[in-house]
Amino acid sequence: AQTVTQSQPEMSVQEAETVTLSCTYDTSESDYYLFWYKQPPSRQMILVIRQEAYKQQNATENRFSVNFQKAAKSFSLKISDSQLGDAAMYFCAYRSVTDKLIFGTGTRLQVFP
Amino acid sequence: KAGVTQTPRYLIKTRGQQVTLSCSPISGHRSVSWYQQTPGQGLQFLFEYFSETQRNKGNFPGRFSGRQFSNSRSEMNVSTLELGDSALYLCASSGLAGEGDTQYFGPGTRLTVL
Repeated sequence: AQTVTQSQPEMSVQEAETVTLSCTYDTSESDYYLFWYKQPPSRQMILVIRQEAYKQQNATENRFSVNFQKAAKSFSLKISDSQLGDAAMYFCAYRSVTDKLIFGTGTRLQVFP
Repeated sequence: KAGVTQTPRYLIKTRGQQVTLSCSPISGHRSVSWYQQTPGQGLQFLFEYFSETQRNKGNFPGRFSGRQFSNSRSEMNVSTLELGDSALYLCASSGLAGEGDTQYFGPGTRLTVL
C-alpha cells in the first residue's frame, strides 16, 4: 500500500526567508502524481503545486518549488520569500492514476514577522 | 469559474440521527471524492464517484454511503451517527484533461455529533 510521510509536524520561518518542507512516499507504481496542498486556519484546502512522476523537471509556481527525487521517493516543497499569508498546514499527497488521494499527516508552518 | 461548493457548512446532530451532505463540483468535472478530516486520524478517503458510479471506496463502515447525480453533484449520507463521526467532511472534484487528476477542494462541512 502507498504511504506518505511528513516527518516535520511543525516548522517556522522568518518573513522573507526560505523554508523547505519534507515529504517522502512509498509506492511500487511508476506513474503517479504528487501534490502539495495548503490549508489555512479557515480550512479551505488549496492546491499549491503538482508534479507528474514521469516529468524529470521540478515543478514551480511563483515562490513555491519542489525538489522531486523519484529514485529516493522524496518530494520536498521550498517556499521562497516567505509571507505571513503562507502560515498554514501543508499536506503532501500522492495519487496513482485513477486512485484515491493519500495524504501525509501535515506540517504546520508558522511565519514570524 | 465557481469552485467546489458544499452545503451545509455547519451541522449539529445527535447520536443515532442521520445526515446528508451535498457537494457541487467545478463545472465540467465528473469526479467527486469525499474525505473525512479529524485531528486524530488526519485526512481519510471515504469514496470517489465518477459518472454516477462509485470508482473507489475507503475503509469506512457501511453507515457511510454516497451517490452522484447525472449533473455530477454528489451527496454523502451517514446513518446512525456516532460521536466519532464528528469531523470536517471535505469534497473534492477533478476531471479536466491535462490536469493530471488534480483534485480541487470545497470549504468542507463541519459536522458535530452530540
